[in-house]
Amino acid sequence: EIVLTQSPGTLSLSPGERATLSCRASQSVSSNYLAWYQQKPGQAPSLLIYGASSRATGIPDRFSGSRSGTDFTLTISRLEPEDFAVYYCQQYGSSSVTFGQGTKLEIK
Amino acid sequence: EVQLVESGGGLVQPGRSLRLSCAASGFTFEDYAMHWVRQVPGRGLEWVSGISWNSGGIGYADSVKGRFTISRDNAKNSLYLQMNSLKTEDTALYYCAKGHDYSNYVYFNYWGQGTLVTVSS
Repeated sequence: EIVLTQSPGTLSLSPGERATLSCRASQSVSSNYLAWYQQKPGQAPSLLIYGASSRATGIPDRFSGSRSGTDFTLTISRLEPEDFAVYYCQQYGSSSVTFGQGTKLEIK
Repeated sequence: EVQLVESGGGLVQPGRSLRLSCAASGFTFEDYAMHWVRQVPGRGLEWVSGISWNSGGIGYADSVKGRFTISRDNAKNSLYLQMNSLKTEDTALYYCAKGHDYSNYVYFNYWGQGTLVTVSS
């Protein structure tokens, strides 16, 4: 099973700042099969990024994803008030899907 | 508009069974893999099980293997999760999630709102 470790656990930033969220895989994730989700309180998760760097439909371009080896990064270039939420990474390159434990992005 | 509506959750005693359902609409159900993901309130996401478009590929998390069975009825646009020998640690909100294509190697582009399962004596 591929273990995904997200860091930091909590990130405190202000609107307008840049957010960098990390997701490290315990082994190689085939074919860039990594996705990012946003979850707001009381809501189901929603897809942000798939294939490590492709934005889902309707996702603004301030959200971007990248990969370096087994390290994946979600970057939010300029935080908007609605971006404060919990973010999860997910790998789907193996038949056993796994999620990271989440990063909470909170307002400073 | 894609809609996924879960049902069947509730309070159940340890060792008993429960069957969850997910009614899908707004897309060609038989063309896509479907999955169950659960979340303990206030905690992270845990993948539970997935099934490919034709039920030929099925997978389970180790935590539920041998106790849970996933199935689908393409004629009824429905996904199911039969949960047997329930444990207190199965208490969670169970989400139905649509895969982006037919295989088991999928991300989830749509999610239901979840059905709450509480296992307690």
